[in-house]
Amino acid sequence: NAGVMQNPRHLVRRRGQEARLRCSPMKGHSHVYWYRQLPEEGLKFMVYLQKENIIDESGMPKERFSAEFPKEGPSILRIQQVVRGDSAAYFCASSPRRGYYGYTFGSGTRLTVV
Amino acid sequence: GQQLNQSPQSMFIQEGEDVSMNCTSSSIFNTWLWYKQDPGEGPVLLIALYKAGELTSNGRLTAQFGITRKDSFLNISASIPSDVGIYFCAGQTNYGGSQGNLIFGKGTKLSVKP
Repeated sequence: NAGVMQNPRHLVRRRGQEARLRCSPMKGHSHVYWYRQLPEEGLKFMVYLQKENIIDESGMPKERFSAEFPKEGPSILRIQQVVRGDSAAYFCASSPRRGYYGYTFGSGTRLTVV
Repeated sequence: GQQLNQSPQSMFIQEGEDVSMNCTSSSIFNTWLWYKQDPGEGPVLLIALYKAGELTSNGRLTAQFGITRKDSFLNISASIPSDVGIYFCAGQTNYGGSQGNLIFGKGTKLSVKP
């Protein structure tokens, strides 16, 4: 009974490259949430997706960031033309239904932009 | 935007001591949650609170949802070395068109007294 799986665990990108972060929710969960954590900070909401739909992207930066959750396969958070300020830990969480907030988080992807 | 004020920022514990931390907000929340995060890992849900005034225990942990719905506290009794980590409160609200994403405090770092 696997939990939320995120990969890669660590990702190093040069400025200007693209970063792709993957998240497979828990079995039976169709709601996925992405959060970002800067050093010494709490998590900040980015985007909430259900299969093939973006429900709430109010926390996503307007440029360079996008997210998808296709019918088949993991959810992807994509950051284009990364900059140093994108360096952070990115966490994905999943839940079985809307309105359930006791999310299960994955172990995160730590992105370092050099 | 909405913010949670979590205190203390850090504290040192001696094995066997009781520990208290709390979160306050200027906004009303519908749900309060407490998470623990170990280094290099994602947050793990400890306790979820859904009703104002609710007091819930999970082993040595006890948390309460404040009656005003603007605060919550977490107590850890008889602390042990594995309690070390960062504890986050998180609140959920539907106000302002939010789809119910979580707002996190900045965390309380628990360390062992030297």
